[in-house]
Amino acid sequence: SQQGEEDPQALSIQEGENATMNCSYKTSINNLQWYRQNSGRGLVHLILIRSNEREKHSGRLRVTLDTSKKSSSLLITASRAADTASYFCATDADNQGGKLIFGQGTELSVKP
Amino acid sequence: EADIYQTPRYLVIGTGKKITLECSQTMGHDKMYWYQQDPGMELHLIHYSYGVNSTEKGDLSSESTVSRIRTEHFPLTLESARPSHTSQYLCASKGLADTGELFFGEGSRLTVL
Repeated sequence: SQQGEEDPQALSIQEGENATMNCSYKTSINNLQWYRQNSGRGLVHLILIRSNEREKHSGRLRVTLDTSKKSSSLLITASRAADTASYFCATDADNQGGKLIFGQGTELSVKP
Repeated sequence: EADIYQTPRYLVIGTGKKITLECSQTMGHDKMYWYQQDPGMELHLIHYSYGVNSTEKGDLSSESTVSRIRTEHFPLTLESARPSHTSQYLCASKGLADTGELFFGEGSRLTVL
């Protein structure tokens, strides 16, 4: 079964609002990554947070990691229409043999 | 920008045809992966390789096969395509330095009629 579960499955907001997506996973991890996918395209890496980190920032992105709850969140602040995409979390764990396991994704729609 | 390329981007073929999806990367990465993704759905790992002459099956069973004769190339082949193979196929790579980040190609969308 897949390691990561994301919620919500779909999120629709207005430009300028913040978007929060959550990811839960089942086993201990080395790191957790977030990726973005525009419709019909490949995935693009956004940010990686290691198991000993609790929060990380990159531009308008803020990622948190709570290893006790086995969960992570991705916050996009001041969203723009160009942020419309699907967002996936992916876990890297020792018991996965170096393979990343992806969640089912959150489809974000930002309306102008 | 990732230097990983997939061809073709789109392919529509009839049942029973043999197809090869190409994936090439110019980053010298040892680890390469094939994921299968249905529209709006999660990615499923179907094949991976940790170097030349090394290939392994992923978590999702697939009738496709792969080869890794050169570091740069990781083609995926379907000997006899069926409508159930209709999907998006995504190739990715990761370096030995292992920042952990996967670099993805743009994908090959396969439709089997």
